[in-house]
Amino acid sequence: DIQMTQSPSSLSASVGDRVTITCRTSQSVTKYLNWYQQKPQRAPKLLISATSNLQNGVPSRFSGSGAGTVFTLTISSLQPEDFATYFCQQTSTMPLTFGGGTKLEIK
Amino acid sequence: VQLQESGPGLVKPSETLSLICTVSTGSFTNYYWSWIRQPPGKGLEWIGYIHHSGNTKYNPALKSRVTMSVDTSKRQVSLRLRSVTTADTALYFCASGSGGTYDFDYWGQGSLVTVSS
Repeated sequence: DIQMTQSPSSLSASVGDRVTITCRTSQSVTKYLNWYQQKPQRAPKLLISATSNLQNGVPSRFSGSGAGTVFTLTISSLQPEDFATYFCQQTSTMPLTFGGGTKLEIK
Repeated sequence: VQLQESGPGLVKPSETLSLICTVSTGSFTNYYWSWIRQPPGKGLEWIGYIHHSGNTKYNPALKSRVTMSVDTSKRQVSLRLRSVTTADTALYFCASGSGGTYDFDYWGQGSLVTVSS
């Protein structure tokens, strides 16, 4: 299985901050890396697919980059509604696997 | 596409967990319907998928205990997980990706299953 390591596991930030979350994979997933946002008691929401494809309706302050084994999710200017947990997922190789999550909290 | 999970919220150890996902609107064919679970306060684990044709793919970590099936007339997919333990306590989601992908943009609300005697 491809192991997914997210860092940091938690992050405190303020409204307006720029934040970056990193996802590292144990082997190359080429570009097949997705990002999800999850709020408490809710299902995850797909934000970005295939490294950098922003889903319809997702604000442009979210962006993704990377290739191979290192990927990043960047939020350019945090808004109150962005405080949530973020997960990466690889779809390159079965079984599909997810990162452990990054909890973004208000400072 | 709207998904809704249903099933017992409490299962005894060693018994079988059974859940159903009903696809109430949108297309049912040409999708890979996945089950994903999330233990309380933890991350996401992909359990496997079933295609509307009946083709399945399971996570090797759970393969020996998992069976998925599909009923196209009812627009339902089901999950059975045998010989459960407390480690199987989790929020169980059904999910799918538009265009037949594994990019999950359709999710149910989740069904909490607790394994306890």
